[in-house]
Order: sequence, then C-alpha cells, then structure tokens
Amino acid sequence: QVQLQESGPRLVKPSGTLSLTCAVSGGSISIHDWWSWVRQPPGKGLEWIGEIFHSGSTNYNPSLKSRVTISIDKSTKQFSLNLNSLTAADTAVYYCARIPLSSGWYLDNWGQGTLVTVSS
Amino acid sequence: EIVLTQSPGTLSLSPGERATLSCRASQSVSSNYLAWYQQKPGQAPRVLIYGASRRATGISDRFSGSGSGTDFTLTISRLEPEDFAVYYCQHYGSSPPLFTFGPGTKVDI
Repeated sequence: QVQLQESGPRLVKPSGTLSLTCAVSGGSISIHDWWSWVRQPPGKGLEWIGEIFHSGSTNYNPSLKSRVTISIDKSTKQFSLNLNSLTAADTAVYYCARIPLSSGWYLDNWGQGTLVTVSS
Repeated sequence: EIVLTQSPGTLSLSPGERATLSCRASQSVSSNYLAWYQQKPGQAPRVLIYGASRRATGISDRFSGSGSGTDFTLTISRLEPEDFAVYYCQHYGSSPPLFTFGPGTKVDI
C-alpha cells in the first residue's frame, strides 16, 4: 500500500511562496502513476492544483498555472509543490495524492493533508 | 471546461435508510473518468467509486455507482453510522488535462 506524507511550513506570508514536499513510501514513484496536489480551503470543497509524471511532465489547473510549479525527485521518492504570489485565499489544507494510471484517472491514495495559512 | 453539479446539497437520513446522491455534468462525459469520494471531518478524501461504477479496493458493496452521459448517481444501500460524511464526484478531462470536483453532498443524520 503506497503511503504519502506532506511536509513543509504551516505559515507563510502574503506575496510569498508556499513550498511543500510529498514523500512516497511503500511503492515506486517511477512506474505508471501520476502524482498530484489538491487543496481544500477551510470549510470548502476540493480544488485540483496539478499533476506530475515520473518523467517530469506536468499539467496544471489553468486557474493556478501562472503561479504553480510541481517537480519530482525520483532518487528521494518525493515530489514538490511551489505556489507563489500568495494571498489569504490560498489558505487551505494541501493534499498530495496518487493517480493510478493503470486503472484510471482518479486519486486512490492521499496524504493526510497539511494546513497552510497565509498571514502576516 | 466541465462543471459538475451535485444534489442535494444536504441529505438528512437515518441509519438503515437508502441514500441516493446525484452528480450532473455540464456536458456529456465518459464514464471512464467519473469518480466518487467520501470525506469525513479532519480526514483526507477516500475514493469509493471510479469509472462511474467500479468499487475501489476495500469499499463495501453497500456503495454503488451508476450513470452515463451527464447524469451519475452514487447509492448507499443501507446507511451505517460511519457513512455520514461529505461525498464528492470528480471528473477528469483530457483536453486540457484537468480534474474537476463537484461541490459535494453532505449526508447527515
């Protein structure tokens, strides 16, 4: 069973950059799967941020594309999220998740999530 | 861009009752790219159904998915206390690549 764990600062300043890392354990990061970030503002619904393949290919939500970078480090079995030009609207629980491409385009394994607050 | 609408917003039921949750897409979508998730307070979402009707690993057969085109349904045959949660539908579009979630249906007592 693949397990994912997010890590990174919980408090970031407006106009700054959010940087989170997702560690993958219990499986390979370099087979058929895509790896994704999803966020959820407090009390609200889910918003997909983007995805990355082990080759480094990425897709981003058009609404965030100008501010987002997702990268992958196969040697450490981690993938990362950078989101810049932060505002209070970026305050959310950020989840990393796996897309099991061998069976479909959905998110089958999720990290526990980490709340990131944008505030001065 | 596909927009997903879920109804009702809140469903108030009792244990043992049947729950029927609706997800409607703004245009016809492939069933292969439609999934349902359950989320409990303080927890990450958990996939229940993918490909519109395939149960994910370890999911009780009380959960079933159906539908095609623009209308999809998640049915919980007999509600257990642990089923009271928020349920989201999700679609994946390939041009451009984009995951879209519905706003959710809360199932409460």
